[in-house]
Amino acid sequence: EVQLVESGGGLVQPGGSLRLSCSASGFIFSSYAMHWVRQAPGKGLEYVSTISTNGGTTYYADSVKGRFTMSRGNSKNTLYLQMSSLRAEDTAVYYCVKDLRSGTYFPYYFDYWGQGTLVTVSS
Amino acid sequence: SYELTQPPSVSVSPGQTASITCSGDKLGDKYACWFQQKPGQSPVLVIYQDNKRPSGIPERFSGSNSGNTATLTISGTQSMDEADYYCQAWDSSAAIFGGGTKLTVL
Repeated sequence: EVQLVESGGGLVQPGGSLRLSCSASGFIFSSYAMHWVRQAPGKGLEYVSTISTNGGTTYYADSVKGRFTMSRGNSKNTLYLQMSSLRAEDTAVYYCVKDLRSGTYFPYYFDYWGQGTLVTVSS
Repeated sequence: SYELTQPPSVSVSPGQTASITCSGDKLGDKYACWFQQKPGQSPVLVIYQDNKRPSGIPERFSGSNSGNTATLTISGTQSMDEADYYCQAWDSSAAIFGGGTKLTVL
């Protein structure tokens, strides 16, 4: 059974930093592209970033480009999102998402979603 | 920047067919996906690549995409289908989501 467990969320002041982690199990982690998608309280879904199977290629939404860095540790079956220069508008539940297909194929498809971790940016 | 537009709400009677639209410039030239999200739960992929269903998704869910509009169709709608539905496509190496449609089954 696929399991994605996010951690690292919490309350952080504007301008601060936070690192999210996503522990994956139940599938061959290194074979799948992975994604982060967020959802502000009571709002819709917003794309954050994508990383290829070997971590060599990343994509970011314009809203986070230059502030967020996505990475992965295939030996630890773990996905990361390093967030810096955080703003109030970054407040959201952050979902770790597994791609539908193994390998690196564009376009990607957001297949399995974790339960999410809440990030609150406030003073 | 690219935008996808969905109606805020759609209502349907049990057993009837619900259609939820998603509009975007030349959306038919891209692949559209649909997600279902129930209150307090994570989203679930119900349609990908315009009209394909992931394993475990009931046959009553179908999709189409042509011109500027993608459509999610739910045939024989059940009360359990009441949820928020989001469309999504890729543009310039970034995923774009529609604003979401609340489907009410009454």
